[in-house]
Amino acid sequence: EVELVQSGGGLVQSGGSLRLSCVASGFTFSRYAMNWVRQAPGKGLEWVSVISTTGDSTYTADSVKGRFTISRDNSKNALYLQMNSLRAEDTAVYYCAKRASSGYYPNNCYDYWGQGTLVSVSP
Amino acid sequence: EIVLTQSPATLSLSPGERATLSCRASQSISDSFLAWYQQKPGQAPRLLIYDASSRATGIPDRFSGSGSGTDFTLTISRLEPEDFAVYYCQQYVSSPTFGQGTNVEIK
Repeated sequence: EVELVQSGGGLVQSGGSLRLSCVASGFTFSRYAMNWVRQAPGKGLEWVSVISTTGDSTYTADSVKGRFTISRDNSKNALYLQMNSLRAEDTAVYYCAKRASSGYYPNNCYDYWGQGTLVSVSP
Repeated sequence: EIVLTQSPATLSLSPGERATLSCRASQSISDSFLAWYQQKPGQAPRLLIYDASSRATGIPDRFSGSGSGTDFTLTISRLEPEDFAVYYCQQYVSSPTFGQGTNVEIK
């Protein structure tokens, strides 16, 4: 059974940093590109970032470019999102999501999602 | 950026009725790289449909997707109590974007 277990959210002041983690099980983690998607309170979904299977290629949404960094450790089946210079508008539930088979990297749909972790940035 | 517009914003129906949800793209989506997700309160989204019309693993056949180019539809043939939720479309032909969602609520 595929499982994505997230950790690392919380409350932080504007300008602060947080690191999110996502540990995968139930599939061969190193074979799949992985993503972060976020959802502001009461709002829709926004893709944040994607990383290739080996980690040597990443793409990031313009809204967080230069502030957020995605990375992975295939030896630990782990995905990370380092978030720096956080702003109030970054307040959201952040989901890690596994690439589904359809589509071409870096643009995919997502067949499994983590449980989500709330990041709250105070002004 | 491809903008996806979903309609209606809210759909009020009774169990057993048919639901038809629309997703319109600001430009053509080649290869029908469009997906549909269901999201219930406090839960992560669940993939229902990919490639516009292919059901994801374990999705009941009352869910179907259709369309091409700029106009796509998600149909739920007969609503079950567990189907009342918010539905999002997503394109992945370019940098991924999502529609704003359709809330299917109990009438």
